[in-house]
Amino acid sequence: AQSVTQPDIHITVSEGASLELRCNYSYGATPYLFWYVQSPGQGLQLLLKYFSGDTLVQGIKGFEAEFKRSQSSFNLRKPSVHWSDAAEYFCAVTGTASKLTFGTGTRLQVTL
Amino acid sequence: GAGVSQSPSNKVTEKGKDVELRCDPISGHTALYWYRQSLGQGLEFLIYFQGNSAPDKSGLPSDRFSAERTGGSVSTLTIQRTQQEDSAVYLCASSRDYGTETQYFGPGTRLLVL
Repeated sequence: AQSVTQPDIHITVSEGASLELRCNYSYGATPYLFWYVQSPGQGLQLLLKYFSGDTLVQGIKGFEAEFKRSQSSFNLRKPSVHWSDAAEYFCAVTGTASKLTFGTGTRLQVTL
Repeated sequence: GAGVSQSPSNKVTEKGKDVELRCDPISGHTALYWYRQSLGQGLEFLIYFQGNSAPDKSGLPSDRFSAERTGGSVSTLTIQRTQQEDSAVYLCASSRDYGTETQYFGPGTRLLVL
């Protein structure tokens, strides 16, 4: 069965600092990986996705993620965080079956 | 274009009552998904529809939960005899096709069972 682990429940960073959110997955075949962001009271917005090809994926809002098969990881990064990035971030995996399996999420707090 | 819409945005009901939650997918999207987000269980898959194929109901937690999709567009998730543990945010998503197409999420329906 597929699964996703986001080991950090809550992270606090200062505005302007760099950010890395960790995601580890378990999947028996080639995974398709996603990062979604959820602001309070909002639905999920796709930040970026990895299907194949270049293992460094660029997304919206200045985010990027790197797929590392050897480490079963798909960590999300941003060089300089803005206060508006405060939200909850979800990593998800799927295969050809379409249904997404999500991690438990990481809540990001940004201090000014 | 318009995104995925869901109604109602909030629903408060009494234990034992039935509720219906509605989802309008993005026009032209053939695949539609329901997920549930709760404090105890996180985000979990419930059911998905793809075109005219039989739906994948493998995530439905009990037979009190059912869903239908009429005319390949609008979907309704029905919860019968609601229980307090059904309280959650119910999210709908749609995608252009089956498989690895990106899923676009609606804002969700927040259900509270008293």
